[in-house]
Amino acid sequence: EADIYQTPRYLVIGTGKKITLECSQTMGHDKMYWYQQDPGMELHLIHYSYGVNSTEKGDLSSESTVSRIRTEHFPLTLESARPSHTSQYLCASSDHRDSQPNEQFFGPGTRLTVL
Amino acid sequence: AQKITQTQPGMFVQEKEAVTLDCTYDTSDPSYGLFWYKQPSSGEMIFLIYQGSYDQQNATEGRYSLNFQKARKSANLVISASQLGDSAMYFCAMREGPSSGGYNKLIFGAGTRLAVHP
Repeated sequence: EADIYQTPRYLVIGTGKKITLECSQTMGHDKMYWYQQDPGMELHLIHYSYGVNSTEKGDLSSESTVSRIRTEHFPLTLESARPSHTSQYLCASSDHRDSQPNEQFFGPGTRLTVL
Repeated sequence: AQKITQTQPGMFVQEKEAVTLDCTYDTSDPSYGLFWYKQPSSGEMIFLIYQGSYDQQNATEGRYSLNFQKARKSANLVISASQLGDSAMYFCAMREGPSSGGYNKLIFGAGTRLAVHP
């Protein structure tokens, strides 16, 4: 069973607020990812990290930012939330190894609603 | 450009019957991996099965099997003996290149919503 956690699970906030979505994993994985998913739609990669102090933007442009100061922690921040940011945000991690499948393990997600 | 196509927005199946969920992919990389994930209404993504591009045999994991047709670039998921708990969204995903030392990034399809009826 994957040990990857996200808080909060649900968040309803007003426009203009700064928010941070937390993601932590206890598996020692070096790679971590943030996906954005609208209801019933595909996942889009918005950020990823290969390790401490390494962050990259994903395939979908996002106004959010991320940091990776510790291996186990990969928070996502929105400086000024807008209604267009309303979505589900999923965090994932994977190991650095040769053996397959080397799948990504996902957290439970944060459902964000910006009013 | 790499792409995953799932043409079935929704599928229905009777409990205890088998169901096939379609997935086609497009890539020019000879090394790639194909994944299927299940997403229940609670929102988490659950890894089900994996097929590597160089694997000679179709992958199987319990009631899940992957019908891999490399020449047709398809990787359909077969669920045998459906159960009510199988009702969920199912996503096909692809990773290009080897995972080790590589990006290990996934591209997801749009998903198929499966409903299992008693």
